[in-house]
Formats: sequence, C-alpha cells, structure tokens
Amino acid sequence: GAVVSQHPSRVICKSGTSVKIECRSLDFQATTMFWYRQFPKQSLMLMATSNEGSKATYEQGVEKDKFLINHASLTLSTLTVTSAHPEDSSFYICSARVTSGGVGTDTQYFGPGTRLTVL
Amino acid sequence: AQSVAQPEDQVNVAEGNPLTVKCTYSVSGNPYLFWYVQYPNRGLQFLLKYITGDNLVKGSYGFEAEFNKSQTSFHLKKPSALVSDSALYFCAVRGSLKKLVFGTGTRLLVSP
Repeated sequence: GAVVSQHPSRVICKSGTSVKIECRSLDFQATTMFWYRQFPKQSLMLMATSNEGSKATYEQGVEKDKFLINHASLTLSTLTVTSAHPEDSSFYICSARVTSGGVGTDTQYFGPGTRLTVL
Repeated sequence: AQSVAQPEDQVNVAEGNPLTVKCTYSVSGNPYLFWYVQYPNRGLQFLLKYITGDNLVKGSYGFEAEFNKSQTSFHLKKPSALVSDSALYFCAVRGSLKKLVFGTGTRLLVSP
C-alpha cells in the first residue's frame, strides 16, 4: 500500500510557541491531503483538507489562523500550530488520498501521527 | 448527513475463534465503506474497502467485511483471531459529501 510519513512523531513545546508538523507521501503524489485530530479514546476529527497549490479548506470550528496548512508540493503538506496552548495537546494525523476511480472511491492512507504536548 | 455507528466499545475474543466487529452507517447516495486498524500511538492502517460488486470484501491480514445494503451494515470479520489482531478498529463511510466520516472505534482484545 501507499506510505505516508509524518515528522516529528512526538513533540513537546512551551505554551505560546509554534510547532510545525510535516506530512509526506513517500511513493505517490497526493493532490489532496487531510489533517485530523484525535483525542484520547475518541475518533478522528477532520480539521482541514489540503489541496496542492491552493488554500486549505477548514472544517467548521477549526481556526485557520491557528492551524496553518501549506501544501506546496504533491508530496508534502505541513501543519503549523501557532501560539500553541495546552488545550492544543493532541494526536495529529495526516492522510493522503490515492486517486483511483474517483473521489468517492479513493482510498486514504494515513501517517503514523504526531503527538503534541504543550506545557 | 453521513454517520457511522460502532455499537461496541470493546470486543473480546479468544485466539483461534472467529471475530466480528460491527458497523452500521447512514449516508446519502451510494456508500463507500472502509475499515482501518490503529495500533497504540500509531496512525490508521487501511484494511479493506467496499465500493461496488461482491458484498463480501477481502482485505489485509485475513480480514473480510460483508456489505449488507438492507441492514446498512458493514461488519468486519476474521475466521480465526490472533493475539496480534488486538488493536482499535475504525469503520468509515464516504457518501455524496465526499468526506470520510469515522465511527468511534471498537477495541478488539484477543486473549491467548
């Protein structure tokens, strides 16, 4: 299957600082990538859809100025958590879509996740 | 609206026994259904998907799922469970909204 990597796997930062998380599709090109957030013992919450070369589409309730997404190439999307606060501590997972028969039938492959802890 | 229900928070099964993880869905249009598995502190791994055709879909690691349109279900199954199958399993659906919506997950615990 397609491989998606994320870096870093774990990060601890001080409140008020910014943190950048990278998501790469290693063996395929992804015009669309997704960023999810997962709280303990809960499901994945879609934060935004990232399209290469254009602005990301954010889900309702997600602050676009706080969670900056850049999708500069077909293999790289970044999520920057700006002015992080303890409530931003979470598990962030990216996903890339492998295009096959169409948007509806495409399979999304997920990165290993990044655990962010804000002190 | 799209939604997925996984009615069981946890499923316990003995190694070697068959396992079933339940999933029901609600979606507008044709449903495209997926199963993913998550190991601790890891992302999701794709297991299988149903798009069209045969209602029984075979996937990775010996897992299979049966699509039942009348019951709007897509239960995950495996004939003989392994201890290494213990993990968190997510069912997901994509419908006319083109977004992948996940269930709350079911923890599978396979005992030796």
